[in-house]
Amino acid sequence: DAGVTQSPTHLIKTRGQQVTLRCSPKSGHDTVSWYQQALGQGPQFIFQYYEEEERQRGNFPDRFSGHQFPNYSSELNVNALLLGDSALYLCASSSRLQGSDTGELFFGEGSRLTVL
Amino acid sequence: TQLLEQSPQFLSIQEGENLTVYCNSSSVFSSLQWYRQEPGEGPVLLVTVVTGGEVKKLKRLTFQFGDARKDSSLHITAAQPGDTGLYLCAGVFQGGKLIFGQGTELSVKP
Repeated sequence: DAGVTQSPTHLIKTRGQQVTLRCSPKSGHDTVSWYQQALGQGPQFIFQYYEEEERQRGNFPDRFSGHQFPNYSSELNVNALLLGDSALYLCASSSRLQGSDTGELFFGEGSRLTVL
Repeated sequence: TQLLEQSPQFLSIQEGENLTVYCNSSSVFSSLQWYRQEPGEGPVLLVTVVTGGEVKKLKRLTFQFGDARKDSSLHITAAQPGDTGLYLCAGVFQGGKLIFGQGTELSVKP
């Protein structure tokens, strides 16, 4: 049973470019959340997708957008990259049936983005 | 604004010592979770505490949720080098959104 898988694992971009990160949730999970983790910090919530719609959003600008597909996989897009966007981007999946307030989140290993 | 304050941020101890990590907030959470993250990996859930005053044990780890559901602590007894890692507390808001603390980097030396 595959857990949460993310791709790519590492990538380097330059300022102003655009990036797309991908996530496949754990089997049986229908909800995907994205987090940004800067070096030495805890993860920060970007947004959450369920039933192909953005359900919650953290304090991130519109340059950050996402999508969820019918098979529950998800993409995170970041436009007009800034140096400060360099971080580990984590995808986490969960199941609505478990109950969103106490259900376990399963995290992927993350995509390490470096913006030069 | 950092809703969850973890302390200490860094902790370096010898094998066999005990330690406590604190997680404090001015907000009330429906539940609070503790995660452990190793380099190059995503966080892994250790425990979820839901009820004020709740105490949960996981082998040598003891987790406590404050009576007012605003703070929590993680106590490790007889730490081992395998306990080394980043420990994160996270408040759970309705809908499953997590607010993480900045983490406690623990290093246990043999």
